[in-house]
Amino acid sequence: SQQGEEDPQALSIQEGENATMNCSYKTSINNLQWYRQNSGRGLVHLILIRSNEREKHSGRLRVTLDTSKKSSSLLITASRAADTASYFCATDARGYQKVTFGTGTKLQVIP
Amino acid sequence: GAGVSQSPSNKVTEKGKDVELRCDPISGHTALYWYRQSLGQGLEFLIYFQGNSAPDKSGLPSDRFSAERTGGSVSTLTIQRTQQEDSAVYLCASSSQSGRSTDTQYFGPGTRLTVL
Repeated sequence: SQQGEEDPQALSIQEGENATMNCSYKTSINNLQWYRQNSGRGLVHLILIRSNEREKHSGRLRVTLDTSKKSSSLLITASRAADTASYFCATDARGYQKVTFGTGTKLQVIP
Repeated sequence: GAGVSQSPSNKVTEKGKDVELRCDPISGHTALYWYRQSLGQGLEFLIYFQGNSAPDKSGLPSDRFSAERTGGSVSTLTIQRTQQEDSAVYLCASSSQSGRSTDTQYFGPGTRLTVL
């Protein structure tokens, strides 16, 4: 079963706007990662946040983690057309090495 | 190599035939993962290798699916007697560490399998 589920499933915004995607998971985790996928092919790692961290930044990306709510959000600021992609959260389950990917949010940034 | 490579990039086969999908991980990466992604869906974990051994085969959907890894490098995913529901993109990823969940996984471009 899916450990992580993203919300919304699809998001369409204008270039320059901010995009926020959410991920909810079911069991306690050690860390959570966000990946990006273009055109249904390979994924690219964006950022990792550990369970003892609450917020992390990388360029235009901001990730938050709320372990009490078992949720994370990915914020992309000042979006660009090139940000159009699907975004997945990936979680481990505490005590297990396997990383489980969510169902993804499909982001479209309109120029 | 510079990245994870997979071959073939596309494979069309007839129902009932066997197929082999190949993954070449990044040189030196000890951990290797296979995933399956159906159209518009998330990634479904299939199997994980640490070196040549597979400590976690829990995701293989049936006994028609098998995988091996030789020399701690190349891996082959074999699907026997393919069914139409096997149609999907098969993604391979590798990571440099010991399969810890904190490791960044580097993905190949995938093999798109179509079973007619």
